[in-house]
Amino acid sequence: DTGVSQDPRHKITKRGQNVTFRCDPISEHNRLYWYRQTLGQGPEFLTYFQNEAQLEKSRLLSDRFSAERPKGSFSTLEIQRTEQGDSAMYLCASSPGQSMNTEAFFGQGTRLTVV
Amino acid sequence: AQSVAQPEDQVNVAEGNPLTVKCTYSVSGNPYLFWYVQYPNRGLQFLLKYITGDNLVKGSYGFEAEFNKSQTSFHLKKPSALVSDSALYFCAVRDQGTGGFKTIFGAGTRLFVKA
Repeated sequence: DTGVSQDPRHKITKRGQNVTFRCDPISEHNRLYWYRQTLGQGPEFLTYFQNEAQLEKSRLLSDRFSAERPKGSFSTLEIQRTEQGDSAMYLCASSPGQSMNTEAFFGQGTRLTVV
Repeated sequence: AQSVAQPEDQVNVAEGNPLTVKCTYSVSGNPYLFWYVQYPNRGLQFLLKYITGDNLVKGSYGFEAEFNKSQTSFHLKKPSALVSDSALYFCAVRDQGTGGFKTIFGAGTRLFVKA
């Protein structure tokens, strides 16, 4: 069973640097989500894709954040000019089918620390 | 806009006793409701969901949840708690009225089951 895979699991970067995270969803899952989770909080929605199309993006997502899913398979989340406030766990999830009621399958996340 | 509230940061219960973790929601249309559990160093795992129909939904590990439309609640319950149930629980909602797949999570409730 290859669940949702995220790479790297941990990333420490200096303020001002760019970072990129990768998410490999469960095979054939057409929807892919990115969330951010800080300590003591629930996952905060960032964006989601239906196949390669980015259908919704949170207003909380500044212009420094960009996500892609070029071939409808894996996805990348890039943060440019990182700030200390970007320190968080970045979660990726995927789900199958066309129905709105399907649950999401989460990866273990990428923990970002900006120093 | 959709939102979820989990009014308790922590719930403490003795092993063998029933447990309830509370959740209330706000949506413009009808909701799809989900419960997820997060164990340390592991990704969020799906427990159960409400789509339509019977207000009492049964899920994994003996958990169930009761949907109450008039009170806009979806409380998680288990008749007899286990120490191994100790974890972080998240309620989530998807608004059918929006037609999209954006899922909003609550801040989470930490369940502590004492032996």
